[in-house]
Amino acid sequence: SQTIHQWPATLVQPVGSPLSLECTVEGTSNPNLYWYRQAAGRGLQLLFYSVGIGQISSEVPQNLSASRPQDRQFILSSKKLLLSDSGFYLCASGAGANVLTFGAGSRLTVL
Amino acid sequence: AQRVTQPEKLLSVFKGAPVELKCNYSYSGSPELFWYVQYSRQRLQLLLRHISRESIKGFTADLNKGETSFHLKKPFAQEEDSAMYYCALVLYNQGGKLIFGQGTELSVKP
Repeated sequence: SQTIHQWPATLVQPVGSPLSLECTVEGTSNPNLYWYRQAAGRGLQLLFYSVGIGQISSEVPQNLSASRPQDRQFILSSKKLLLSDSGFYLCASGAGANVLTFGAGSRLTVL
Repeated sequence: AQRVTQPEKLLSVFKGAPVELKCNYSYSGSPELFWYVQYSRQRLQLLLRHISRESIKGFTADLNKGETSFHLKKPFAQEEDSAMYYCALVLYNQGGKLIFGQGTELSVKP
C-alpha cells in the first residue's frame, strides 16, 4: 500500500517570502499526484495534477507553482507568498482504480 | 461545467437516527463517484466507491444518473460517524483527475 509523506507539517511565513512544500510517495510507481487546498466551507480545491515527471496541470490561476522532479516527489512552491495563500495543503497519490491516498497535510500561515 | 455539489455544510443528527448526506454532480460522461471521510485528527481516506456497490461501516451510496446524485446514507447513525465527508468525481475527459465537493460535516449527538 502507498504511504504519503508531507513536510513541513506546519509553517509560518511572512508575506513576500518563498515557499516549498514537499511530498514524497512510497509503495508505488508512476502514480498520479495531486495538490489540494482544504478550506472550511470551500472543500477540497484541486490546485495541481501530475501524471508523470515534469507533467504538471495547473487548475486555478494563483500565486503557486508545482514541480515533479522525480517519479514520487511532488513539490508546491511560491516565489512570494501572499496572505491569501494561507491554508491547509494536502498531497495525494492515485495509483490505480482512481482511489487516492492522502498525506497528513501542511498548514501554512502567512503573516 | 463539471462539478460536485454538497449542499449541506453541516448535518446534525441524534444517535440512532437515519442520515443522508447529499451529493449532486455535473458531468457529461459516465460518472465514477466516491465518498471520502476525514475523522478528527486523521487523514482523509476513502469510504466507498459506487462501482463497488458495497456497504462500508453501514454506509451505502447509490448512483442515480437521472437525478445526477450520489447520496450517502446510513439507517442508524453512530457517534463515531461524526466526521467530515467529501463526495468526489473522476473527470475521465480531463486525464482522470479527481474533483471534490465542498464537504459536509456530520455531527452525531448522543
